[in-house]
Amino acid sequence: DADVTQTPRNRITKTGKRIMLECSQTKGHDRMYWYRQDPGLGLRLIYYSFDVKDINKGEISDGYSVSRQAQAKFSLSLESAIPNQTALYFCATSEPGANVLTFGAGSRLTVL
Amino acid sequence: QQQVKQSPQSLIVQKGGISIINCAYENTAFDYFPWYQQFPGKGPALLIAIRPDVSEKKEGRFTISFNKSAKQFSLHIMDSQPGDSATYFCAASVETSYDKVIFGPGTSLSVIP
Repeated sequence: DADVTQTPRNRITKTGKRIMLECSQTKGHDRMYWYRQDPGLGLRLIYYSFDVKDINKGEISDGYSVSRQAQAKFSLSLESAIPNQTALYFCATSEPGANVLTFGAGSRLTVL
Repeated sequence: QQQVKQSPQSLIVQKGGISIINCAYENTAFDYFPWYQQFPGKGPALLIAIRPDVSEKKEGRFTISFNKSAKQFSLHIMDSQPGDSATYFCAASVETSYDKVIFGPGTSLSVIP
């Protein structure tokens, strides 16, 4: 099983719909992240959490919200999806003292 | 000042050749420079990383060259193989600030037989 699991892997939705992307990890890491990948823009940080009670906005948090349900679970929500949120979304984890990100396989979201 | 520039956007190299990807940064507070490799359908994975106290780091066929005064660093892939075909991201961060990893836009490398 993958260390960082993302569901769904692919989702097509319509403008205005609410979407949740889920992430679970078996690494035992406290720190979890949501990134967005767009061609030519690299990976941009949406939200991050250093523990269950800690949630922080990243570079591009507008239009997104997150929930850290447990140490191992971190979900990303789009309350009202819009077409420019069409992208590849990655969840990642890291452990304190080690500046290495472990990424999931990604969730491809298409908003029509 | 937070931006990390990366070039080229895409690269085609023949098998056995050298692949070179260049990156540049502005923020002098950055002190950790990783490279991530991403295969289609997969998430990025750490390939190799360098800190600015050394000018070069080599792991197998992969070498990072670092020029602190120019604020530039590059990835060299020697004897490139078709299995190296992937997207490569350089990144920069302040090592103690895990929320501040800044990624370059990526380079799509194709190694042709």
